[in-house]
Amino acid sequence: DGGITQSPKYLFRKEGQNVTLSCEQNLNHDAMYWYRQDPGQGLRLIYYSQIVNDFQKGDIAEGYSVSREKKESFPLTVTSAQKNPTAFYLCASRANRNYGYTFGSGTRLTVV
Amino acid sequence: GQQVMQIPQYQHVQEGEDFTTYCNSSTTLSNIQWYKQRPGGHPVFLIQLVKSGEVKKQKRLTFQFGEAKKNSSLHITATQTTDVGTYFCAEGSSNTGKLIFGQGTTLQVKP
Repeated sequence: DGGITQSPKYLFRKEGQNVTLSCEQNLNHDAMYWYRQDPGQGLRLIYYSQIVNDFQKGDIAEGYSVSREKKESFPLTVTSAQKNPTAFYLCASRANRNYGYTFGSGTRLTVV
Repeated sequence: GQQVMQIPQYQHVQEGEDFTTYCNSSTTLSNIQWYKQRPGGHPVFLIQLVKSGEVKKQKRLTFQFGEAKKNSSLHITATQTTDVGTYFCAEGSSNTGKLIFGQGTTLQVKP
């Protein structure tokens, strides 16, 4: 089945450590997105990429970094510069603007 | 910048009652999408509306796009316990394809 795989589902890290969240898709979609979800705040865009080797900052990019070396993969690194990293992180992809997003099942990151 | 406001934030209904959530913008929306997120799950795409005054139905769900393309609504007729979750509207950018999400409306259904 085609879809988006995010791993791990739960992640615990100590404060001050960088951590990388995986996002892989086999849908052959060009565009990929990273969102952060906090209770009561909906989804906020961190980074997005419309094509391989290109990406743009979203509304809350500070403290995060991404890469897009392959069409299938769009990993997100949460750096120690991110002040409040504990959240639910969602990766999504999209075929084109006439279609909705397909979301992965998400990664719940807890920093202690 | 772009912003869509969604109301109400929470809604509790008795099973069988109707439910409506509203999405409003101060600017004209190029298109609007609706998603459902079950508790503990991820958002799932429901529908996209593009045309002014557009109305689309999916079984008990009715989606509307305002004539001025500044508001949208999702109406559920005769709610069921399977309708529980958070419903999000999202405005799509015609240039970048990125979505700006509303805050969501969380629906609870009492059996």
